[in-house]
Amino acid sequence: DGGITQSPKYLFRKEGQNVTLSCEQNLNHDAMYWYRQDPGQGLRLIYYSQIVNDFQKGDIAEGYSVSREKKESFPLTVTSAQKNPTAFYLCASSILEGIGYTFGSGTRLTVV
Amino acid sequence: AQSVTQLDSQVPVFEEAPVELRCNYSSSVSVYLFWYVQYPNQGLQLLLKYLSGSTLVKGINGFEAEFNKSQTSFHLRKPSVHISDTAEYFCAVSERGSGNTPLVFGKGTRLSVIA
Repeated sequence: DGGITQSPKYLFRKEGQNVTLSCEQNLNHDAMYWYRQDPGQGLRLIYYSQIVNDFQKGDIAEGYSVSREKKESFPLTVTSAQKNPTAFYLCASSILEGIGYTFGSGTRLTVV
Repeated sequence: AQSVTQLDSQVPVFEEAPVELRCNYSSSVSVYLFWYVQYPNQGLQLLLKYLSGSTLVKGINGFEAEFNKSQTSFHLRKPSVHISDTAEYFCAVSERGSGNTPLVFGKGTRLSVIA
């Protein structure tokens, strides 16, 4: 079945360490997105990519980095520069304007 | 730039009662509108969307929404809720004709259905 796979589901890291969250899709979607979700704040856009080897910053890109070397994959690295990285991270993809997104099941990152 | 305001952060309702979750948007151009549902510790699932045509849109699980251009609203309704409808609901907007630019989401409304 086609879909988006985010891994791992839960991730624990020590403060000051970089961590990479995986997002893979087999839907042949061109565009992929990363959102951060905090209680009461809704979804805030971190980065997005509309084609391979190209990506744009979202509203809260500071402290994060991404790559898009393959159409299927859009990994997100949370760096030590991100001041408050503990959150629920959601990856999504879309193929056409107006169709809406397909979401992954999310990764809950806890930094201690 | 677009924005979305979900007017209620929490809505408690008794089982089998009707519910309305309110959403207002702001945009200088024509838009597409979406409602998503999120169950605990899961991703978001598309409930329904408005692209064009009839302003009353029917979605999954018995939900419907009405697009009102003059009031810039897209309220979500269900005539009779079930315990299983307890979840968080997000309204989202994107600009028509802008390609795959990102959706802008509201802050969410937590629907709690009480037995």
